[in-house]
Amino acid sequence: NAGVTQTPKFQVLKTGQSMTLQCAQDMNHEYMSWYRQDPGMGLRLIHYSVGAGITDQGEVPNGYNVSRSTTEDFPLRLLSAAPSQTSVYFCASRAYNEQFFGPGTRLTVL
Amino acid sequence: DAKTTQPPSMDCAEGRAANLPCNHSTISGNEYVYWYRQIHSQGPQYIIHGLKNNETNEMASLIITEDRKSSTLILPHATLRDTAVYYCIVRASIGNTGKLIFGQGTTLQVKP
Repeated sequence: NAGVTQTPKFQVLKTGQSMTLQCAQDMNHEYMSWYRQDPGMGLRLIHYSVGAGITDQGEVPNGYNVSRSTTEDFPLRLLSAAPSQTSVYFCASRAYNEQFFGPGTRLTVL
Repeated sequence: DAKTTQPPSMDCAEGRAANLPCNHSTISGNEYVYWYRQIHSQGPQYIIHGLKNNETNEMASLIITEDRKSSTLILPHATLRDTAVYYCIVRASIGNTGKLIFGQGTTLQVKP
C-alpha cells in the first residue's frame, strides 16, 4: 500500500492564481480530511469528508473548496490564492481509530 | 471535543524515559485520549489512544488518571529519533466524524 499520497510536494503561486492540491489513499478509508499548518503552530482542519459525495467544513474553510467523487481521492482547490494561504497542507485518511497523514504540500503564494 | 493543555517544551536524556503530560479536565465520558507526534516537517503519526484504562503498544504507554482529567504519554527509552512535537487530542470516537483538533503540542528534545 502507498498509504496517503499528495501532489505536488512544493508549489509557488502568484496571488489570484488557482490550483488543486491532490490527495489519494489506497486503504479504502471513508473518512478523509485536509489540514494546514503554519510555522510554529499546530494543524488546523480545513475540510473533511465522511464518504464519497459528502463533505463538510472544518475550522478554517474560507478560500478552499473540496469535492469527493470517489473513495480514493479528495482534492483541495484554491480558487484565488492569497498570501495568507502560504502554508504546509496535509491530507489524511482515517481507519477506525488511527488517522494516516500524507507527506504534505508546501505552498507559497507571492 | 474537550480542550487539552500541554507544556510547550520538554527535554529528555537519550535512553531515559520521557513522560509527557496532558491536562484534559473537561473531558466527557465518551471521549478518548489520542496521542500523535510530528517529526520535523513530516505528517503527524499516530502513537496510541485510550479511554480510561492504561494502554501500551510497541511505541509507548498511556497512563490515564482515574478521574480522566489528565494523562501521561511515556516513551520508555527515548532515542534521538523521538525528538518531535507531541500532540494530545481528546475526541469522541463513537458516532463522531473523526475530526482531530490539534493544539500547540509539546516539543520534546531528546539530548545525547
